[in-house]
Amino acid sequence: SQKIEQNSEALNIQEGKTATLTCNYTNYSPAYLQWYRQDPGRGPVFLLLIRENEKEKRKERLKVTFDTTLKQSLFHITASQPADSATYLCALSSTGSYKLIFGSGTRLLVRP
Amino acid sequence: GAGVSQSPSNKVTEKGKDVELRCDPISGHTALYWYRQSLGQGLEFLIYFQGNSAPDKSGLPSDRFSAERTGGSVSTLTIQRTQQEDSAVYLCASSLPGTAKKLFFGSGTQLSVL
Repeated sequence: SQKIEQNSEALNIQEGKTATLTCNYTNYSPAYLQWYRQDPGRGPVFLLLIRENEKEKRKERLKVTFDTTLKQSLFHITASQPADSATYLCALSSTGSYKLIFGSGTRLLVRP
Repeated sequence: GAGVSQSPSNKVTEKGKDVELRCDPISGHTALYWYRQSLGQGLEFLIYFQGNSAPDKSGLPSDRFSAERTGGSVSTLTIQRTQQEDSAVYLCASSLPGTAKKLFFGSGTQLSVL
């Protein structure tokens, strides 16, 4: 069956370090993959989109990689700050489909 | 409005009652999605509307759930004969048409079925 897996355990890191979050998928052939941030009591907010033919995408302190061979995306936040503490969700969509399927998210805690 | 608006923000109902949840998307966004998020879980796709095309209802969990979108704008998600397992946050999102578009989410409706 189709699965999107993100670490269910919270990632706890020190301010200034790089946070790396993982998104693995099985039985999908995604055309693109997106990352969202969700704060408590709020809806998810879009961060980055990466297509299947792209290996890496950057935006300010954020970097996303997409490895279709490993069926994995990595999401990096460099020089992390306490304000980066939130839940991060990956989502993917197959070719020609509008349906965006989400993982369960990983909670990031950045200690001052 | 500037963003996706959902109402009510909180709804408490008794088991067996019907509820209606409303979503007002961003102006010009022809695509509209409904998702459900249970406590500590990811987003579960429910239904997708795009313009005048037939909606993709493949995620609706039972025939107690239905949704409509009037005039290509406001959408209403209706849950009939609510059950306790329907308790969750119901999130609405809108986007521009086409694939590979980012979704803009509302803050959701927290539904509690007693």
